[in-house]
Amino acid sequence: GQQLNQSPQSMFIQEGEDVSMNCTSSSIFNTWLWYKQDPGEGPVLLIALYKAGELTSNGRLTAQFGITRKDSFLNISASIPSDVGIYFCAGGFRNAGNMLTFGGGTRLMVKP
Amino acid sequence: KAGVTQTPRYLIKTRGQQVTLSCSPISGHRSVSWYQQTPGQGLQFLFEYFSETQRNKGNFPGRFSGRQFSNSRSEMNVSTLELGDSALYLCASSLDGGHQPQHFGDGTRLSIL
Repeated sequence: GQQLNQSPQSMFIQEGEDVSMNCTSSSIFNTWLWYKQDPGEGPVLLIALYKAGELTSNGRLTAQFGITRKDSFLNISASIPSDVGIYFCAGGFRNAGNMLTFGGGTRLMVKP
Repeated sequence: KAGVTQTPRYLIKTRGQQVTLSCSPISGHRSVSWYQQTPGQGLQFLFEYFSETQRNKGNFPGRFSGRQFSNSRSEMNVSTLELGDSALYLCASSLDGGHQPQHFGDGTRLSIL
């Protein structure tokens, strides 16, 4: 089946640093979503992207829908301790209901 | 606004038993999707229901089934449980489908002994 390659698998950074993670796919998607999951909870939607080339921000978070439709990246600026968690990318198709394919996740650890 | 509610939060079963998990979507949401999350396989799509009809299905055996009621609440059932079915089962809802993002519940942690 389709696979999303998400990298890096984990990051250990200093508070205040910027973070970048990305997802690549062998297939085209027309929707890219980024979620964050904290221990014991479900994924929480951070940013949704619907157009190739789209760049969207949500506070300190910025995500882009790659022009080839096969990739997306998420940047977090000036990281803070509460950014700790696992970040997932997910790809989907607008005309195919809500079947999302997820990346393997990036575990972010922030050192105060 | 209440989020997606999943019950129970934790469940312990033994091999061969069956289990039913419940999901109440956000009010007004008509699409409900189910995902399985395991350390080895990550998040994998099980199926989606919209207006009481299964609209999409992932690559899982027939032991996994679901349904949706007229009030959009959904249940998923797993029969003849296997050790490998131990996982976090997540439900997500959206307004309709496709162009609307999915919002997840906190999941049901199923452990098979």
